[in-house]
Amino acid sequence: DIQMTQSPSTLSASVGDRVTITCRASQSINSWLAWYQQKPGKAPKLLIYKASSLESGVPSRFSGSGSGTEFTLTISSLQPDDFATYYCQQYNSLWTFGQGTKVEIK
Amino acid sequence: EVQLVESGGGLVQPGGSLRLSCAASGFSFSTYEMNWVRQAPGKGLEWLSYISSTGSTTHYADSVRGRFTISRDNAKNSLYLQMASLRAGDTAVYYCAKVEQQLPRNWGQGTLVTVSS
Repeated sequence: DIQMTQSPSTLSASVGDRVTITCRASQSINSWLAWYQQKPGKAPKLLIYKASSLESGVPSRFSGSGSGTEFTLTISSLQPDDFATYYCQQYNSLWTFGQGTKVEIK
Repeated sequence: EVQLVESGGGLVQPGGSLRLSCAASGFSFSTYEMNWVRQAPGKGLEWLSYISSTGSTTHYADSVRGRFTISRDNAKNSLYLQMASLRAGDTAVYYCAKVEQQLPRNWGQGTLVTVSS
């Protein structure tokens, strides 16, 4: 089974900050990597697919990069609506989610 | 509009069974793969099970294989998760998810399963 490891687990940041979250796969998943945003009591929302493709309707301040085993999600300028938990997910072989990164207000 | 509505959650004793349902509408259910994903309180997302559009192929996470069974009734536009031998660690919100281009692009609102005596 493919394991996904996210870091950090928690990130404290301010509005306007540039934020980067890292996700590492236990084996190569090519570019079959997605990123989600989840707010309390809500289902996850797809932000990025195929490592770097922006889902329709998602603000351009979100971007993804990487391939193989190392991936990053970047928020170029953190907005108040972005305080949430973020998950990576591999879909190279079935699905595996990372453990999540909570972005909280500094 | 795509709608996925889970039901069947509730309180169950350890060792008990429960069947979750997911009613789908707003799309051609029989042509889409479906999955179940759960989230324990305060924890992350855990993929549980996959079923092909016809129901002929299923996959399970190691944590539930042999205890949970995914199925679907395309005539009723419904997805199911039969859960048996439930443990405290199965306490979670259970989501059904519609797969589009290999990803869960539509999710239900979730149904809470609590395993406790």
